[in-house]
Amino acid sequence: AQSVTQLDSQVPVFEEAPVELRCNYSSSVSVYLFWYVQYPNQGLQLLLKYLSGSTLVKGINGFEAEFNKSQTSFHLRKPSVHISDTAEYFCAVILASGTYKYIFGTGTRLKVLA
Amino acid sequence: DTGVSQNPRHKITKRGQNVTFRCDPISEHNRLYWYRQTLGQGPEFLTYFQNEAQLEKSRLLSDRFSAERPKGSFSTLEIQRTEQGDSAMYLCASSGRGEQFFGPGTRLTVL
Repeated sequence: AQSVTQLDSQVPVFEEAPVELRCNYSSSVSVYLFWYVQYPNQGLQLLLKYLSGSTLVKGINGFEAEFNKSQTSFHLRKPSVHISDTAEYFCAVILASGTYKYIFGTGTRLKVLA
Repeated sequence: DTGVSQNPRHKITKRGQNVTFRCDPISEHNRLYWYRQTLGQGPEFLTYFQNEAQLEKSRLLSDRFSAERPKGSFSTLEIQRTEQGDSAMYLCASSGRGEQFFGPGTRLTVL
């Protein structure tokens, strides 16, 4: 069975500082990887995705993530955060075939401090 | 394209009542998913439709839950005899051949 682990439930960081949100996954078959952001009382918005090809993926709002197959990780990074980045961030995987249902991690709450 | 819409956005009900939620996917998307999100958790898969066919249901979907997608367009999720444990955000998502696009969710509170 597939699983996703986001070890950090909360990450406080000062404005304009860099941030890394960690995501590790477990799967015996090929997966696609995603990062979503959720603002309060809203649905999920896609930040970026890895399907194949270059392991460094750039997304919206200045975020990027690197797929590391040997470490089964897909960490999200931003070199300089803004107050508006305060939100919940979810890592997700789907199997590369079948129903393509998402398996989500438990989320990381990013709090950007002034 | 107005994205995925869900109605109502909020629902408060008393234990034992039935509730129904609606999801309108992006029009050209043939895949539709329902997820449930409880406080402090990531969304959990409930069920999946390809066009009008319900192809997968999670074990989370007890017999009090039923979902339909008549004509392969909008979908409804009904919960019968609601329990306090049903309180959650119910998210709908649709996709074509790529990533899923999520609606704003319906927040259910069971008193």
